[in-house]
Amino acid sequence: DAMVIQNPRYQVTQFGKPVTLSCSQTLNHNVMYWYQQKSSQAPKLLFHYYDKDFNNEADTPDNFQSRRPNTSFCFLDIRSPGLGDAAMYLCATSTAGNLDTEAFFGQGTRLTVV
Amino acid sequence: GNSVTQMEGPVTLSEEAFLTINCTYTATGYPSLFWYVQYPGEGLQLLLKATKADDKGSNKGFEATYRKETTSFHLEKGSVQVSDSAVYFCALSLTGGFKTIFGAGTRLFVKA
Repeated sequence: DAMVIQNPRYQVTQFGKPVTLSCSQTLNHNVMYWYQQKSSQAPKLLFHYYDKDFNNEADTPDNFQSRRPNTSFCFLDIRSPGLGDAAMYLCATSTAGNLDTEAFFGQGTRLTVV
Repeated sequence: GNSVTQMEGPVTLSEEAFLTINCTYTATGYPSLFWYVQYPGEGLQLLLKATKADDKGSNKGFEATYRKETTSFHLEKGSVQVSDSAVYFCALSLTGGFKTIFGAGTRLFVKA
């Protein structure tokens, strides 16, 4: 049973054309994350939502934005994709304050910029 | 700051060989430690975890022991299979899975 679902699995967008990636969860976790993973690299945290509170990482470009309309859904908006934004984008969820748990990841969306 | 260092790959083994992937960490507190696995074109799957010193995480024949004195969490498997070919990420979090920090990943190839 899929618990963190990302759509689409593959997305092709044009240089400079806004694109939105989506993520939904059935775990009712209060924290949702977006990671960027470039080829052969570690996933890099872009930002997270703790309930409705948005938390940006210091080095995340302004080109990346996020929305969380409710507990279950979270979106990643790339306002003007550049060639360097081609990557796998991973959505994850977790609870907070519980030591005996972990982050749950979706299958990722692979973004190609042409 | 908090960080994870793991051995560079790729690691190439024959089927039934013994596997070790080294992982060390730096953390300001007492982190939880994880190994995630990523198959080609897929997201990350939790392989095992340990939440305190001397805990051993295990799953699917893989094991790792949380060593506080050496700040290590090395992944081992006694007999690898072709189906174990994947990228393995060591990771830490200071509170469960909150803001997980990943190592660079180690690609494993297992030959039949």
